[in-house]
Amino acid sequence: QSALTQPASVSGSPGQSITISCTGSSSDVGDYNYVSWYQQHPGKAPKLMLYDVTNRPSGVSNRFSGSKSGNTASLTISGLRAEDEADYFCTSYTSRRILVFGGGTKLIVL
Amino acid sequence: QVHLVESGGGVVQPGSSLRLSCAASGFPFSAYAVHWVRQAPGKGLEWVALISSDGSIRYYADSVKGRFTISRDNSKNTLSLQMDSLRAGDAALYYCARERGFYAFDMWGQGTMVTVSS
Repeated sequence: QSALTQPASVSGSPGQSITISCTGSSSDVGDYNYVSWYQQHPGKAPKLMLYDVTNRPSGVSNRFSGSKSGNTASLTISGLRAEDEADYFCTSYTSRRILVFGGGTKLIVL
Repeated sequence: QVHLVESGGGVVQPGSSLRLSCAASGFPFSAYAVHWVRQAPGKGLEWVALISSDGSIRYYADSVKGRFTISRDNSKNTLSLQMDSLRAGDAALYYCARERGFYAFDMWGQGTMVTVSS
C-alpha cells in the first residue's frame, strides 16, 4: 500500500482537461510544499513535470499545472493530447525526512 | 551531454549481496544530492535512499534500512548502492536520480535490473 493515494486511472478525450489527485496526510502533503509529479511512458524513465507543488521545469508544457489543498495535491492537464497518455506519479517529502510516492495513475486518452 | 548511467544489476539468490553503481557525466556531480528509486516489474515507484552532495547526510526507506548503504565518490563522479541480505521484495529496476530543489528529480538514469530468485 502506497503512502500517497492516487486514482488507479483517469481518462479524457483530446482537448479536454483532467485532474489527478494525490492524497496524503498532515505529515507529508499537508505540511510541506514539496510535492512533485512525474510522467512515465512504458519502458521509459520517469520525467519530472512539476515540483514544489506548482513549479514547472524548463521545457514542460504550461498545459500541466499543480495545486494543493489540505492533504491533497492535484495535477491538472489541459488541452489533452494523445502523447499525454502515460502513468503519473506524485511524491511528497515527509516529516520523517523521507520521500513517499503515490501508487500511480494511468491516464488514458480516449 | 548530461547523463546518469546505472550498472551492476543481475540475478542473485535471497540473502546475497549486490553493489549498484551510477556514473554521472556532463554536470558538476559534487554539487547535487542524488537518490536511488526502484520500480518492481509492473508496479509503481518506490524511493530507496538519499545522499547529500558532500556525502554527509544519508536517509533510507524503512524497507531497506540496515540492509542497504548509499555512498558516493565525488572524485570519480560515482554513486553506489551496496545491497545486503537481499529479499525477493527487493527485485526491481533501480534508478539513480539527481535532485533538483528539494526531493524532486530532474534527471534519471535508464535503470539497472535486480532479480532476486532462488
